[in-house]
Amino acid sequence: AQSVTQLDSQVPVFEEAPVELRCNYSSSVSVYLFWYVQYPNQGLQLLLKYLSGSTLVKGINGFEAEFNKSQTSFHLRKPSVHISDTAEYFCAVSEGLGGGKLIFGQGTELSVKP
Amino acid sequence: DVKVTQSSRYLVKRTGEKVFLECVQDMDHENMFWYRQDPGLGLRLIYFSYDVKMKEKGDIPEGYSVSREKKERFSLILESASTNQTSMYLCASTTIGQGVREQYFGPGTRLTVT
Repeated sequence: AQSVTQLDSQVPVFEEAPVELRCNYSSSVSVYLFWYVQYPNQGLQLLLKYLSGSTLVKGINGFEAEFNKSQTSFHLRKPSVHISDTAEYFCAVSEGLGGGKLIFGQGTELSVKP
Repeated sequence: DVKVTQSSRYLVKRTGEKVFLECVQDMDHENMFWYRQDPGLGLRLIYFSYDVKMKEKGDIPEGYSVSREKKERFSLILESASTNQTSMYLCASTTIGQGVREQYFGPGTRLTVT
């Protein structure tokens, strides 16, 4: 069965510092990978997705992620964070079949301090 | 713009009450999902539907049922609410045309059962 592990439950960081949020998945078949962001009291919004092609994926708000098949990872990065990036971030995987179902990680709370 | 709406942002119910959570999408999506979100557990799939009147259990269906009478509307029903169903409930939808697509989320309903 698929699973997704987000290695850090909380990541505190100072404004303008770089950040990496880590995500590992387990699957024996081809996967499709997503990062979502949830701002306080809101639903989830898609940040970026990897379906195929280039392993470096760029998303909204200056975020990017790299798909690493050998390490089964899909880490999210941003070179310089802002206060407004404070939110919870979720990594998710889909095997493609099964009607678009996603398996989510536990979430990482990113806290950006001035 | 894609839109998924949920009938209530906040709901307080008593133990034993029957609770209805409504979700409507305006994108003509085939697939709709109900998740619950709890701290440290991420999003867990309760039920999903891939067509009108079609449904499939997710990972935690116990204590819940669903209804999909029209393509745009997907309802989650708590037959007899219990305190352990206090949670954030998120609805999502996706299209299955042309391969894997991201899910679009509603703003969530925070349900408290007292």
